[in-house]
Amino acid sequence: AQSVTQLDSQVPVFEEAPVELRCNYSSSVSVYLFWYVQYPNQGLQLLLKYLSGSTLVKGINGFEAEFNKSQTSFHLRKPSVHISDTAEYFCAVTRSNDYKLSFGAGTTVTVRA
Amino acid sequence: NAGVTQTPKFQVLKTGQSMTLQCAQDMNHEYMSWYRQDPGMGLRLIHYSVGAGITDQGEVPNGYNVSRSTTEDFPLRLLSAAPSQTSVYFCASSDGLTGSYGYTFGSGTRLTVV
Repeated sequence: AQSVTQLDSQVPVFEEAPVELRCNYSSSVSVYLFWYVQYPNQGLQLLLKYLSGSTLVKGINGFEAEFNKSQTSFHLRKPSVHISDTAEYFCAVTRSNDYKLSFGAGTTVTVRA
Repeated sequence: NAGVTQTPKFQVLKTGQSMTLQCAQDMNHEYMSWYRQDPGMGLRLIHYSVGAGITDQGEVPNGYNVSRSTTEDFPLRLLSAAPSQTSVYFCASSDGLTGSYGYTFGSGTRLTVV
């Protein structure tokens, strides 16, 4: 079975500063990787996904992530954050022949002025 | 398009009561699933279905039942509520094998068991 580890539970950051959220996964087979965002009191929204091809994936709201197979990582980055990026972010993985998503514990990003 | 609709949004139950959380999608998605979200634990899969008439257990199925009589609906039943089932519940659906098209989530049901 696959598993996901988000290395930071809380990330405080100042407005307009860069942010990186770290995600490592373990799986013995090929996987698909996702980042979701959850704004306060809302459901989950897909930020971006890696299925195959280019290891640098661009998503919505200026986010991007890089798939590193040798390090089994899928870190999320944004070069300049806004107050509105305050949210919880989840990394998720599914095996390429399976429906089931496995989620990390989440990283809470708090952007301060 | 409504997407994935969950009802109710909030619910308070007494220990031992039963209830059904409703989930409906209008996207003709084959795959539907239920997750619970608890602080510091991310989302954990309760039950899932790969099509009408087919359901299976996820990571934390105890205390919950599901059925899938139609493509659109996937209700989650709590048979005898316990305080440990206090959580936020999310329903999700996906089209296509492997979820490569991404998952669409409902807005959640916040359940408190007292």
